[in-house]
Amino acid sequence: DIQMTQSPSSLSASVGDRVTISCRASQGISDYLAWYQQKPGKVPTLLISAASTLQSGVPSRFSGSGSGTDFTLTISSLQPEDVATYYCQKYNGAPFTFGPGTKVDIK
Amino acid sequence: EVQLEESGGGLVKPGGSLRLSCAASGFMFSSYSMNWVRQAPGKGLEWVSSISSGSSYIYYADSMKGRFTISRDNAKNSLYLQMNSLRAEDTAVYYCARTGRIAARPDGVWFDPWGQGTLVTVSS
Repeated sequence: DIQMTQSPSSLSASVGDRVTISCRASQGISDYLAWYQQKPGKVPTLLISAASTLQSGVPSRFSGSGSGTDFTLTISSLQPEDVATYYCQKYNGAPFTFGPGTKVDIK
Repeated sequence: EVQLEESGGGLVKPGGSLRLSCAASGFMFSSYSMNWVRQAPGKGLEWVSSISSGSSYIYYADSMKGRFTISRDNAKNSLYLQMNSLRAEDTAVYYCARTGRIAARPDGVWFDPWGQGTLVTVSS
């Protein structure tokens, strides 16, 4: 099975900072990669599908890139409401594995 | 508005069984693949199982194969997860999630939206 890894596992940044989260698949998955945001105590919500397609209603400071095995989620200017854990997920075929998550908080 | 409401969670002893339900509304349930995802306390997301709109394609995570059974009743707009031989490590919040678009099978489609989840606790 394809394994998903994320780095870093956690980060602390200042408001306004540019934040980058990496996700790596152990084998190529084309662009079948989604990013989810889970705020503390809340349900996960979809941020990005197809590696780079921003979902309706998601602030434009979020962006995704990558294809194949290496993917990136970028927050261009971190806001207090972005405190959350971010998960990547492969969905090209079962198992639809999630990455272990990256916890983002404010310094 | 799309709504997914899970129910059926609770406390069960190791080796016991539980049946989770997910009631769907606000969309054409019979056209979408559906999924179960779980999250153990303080841990990350773990995919559990997926089922296509017509139940032709069914997938399970290896650790659930043979113990969990996913099913759906399109006439009742409901998704189910029958969980048998439960273990302490099955303790988690179980979410149902719709696939993000209509497709013949769950493959190739992200999960969106998600329900609020139901807590399953396996303990003696």
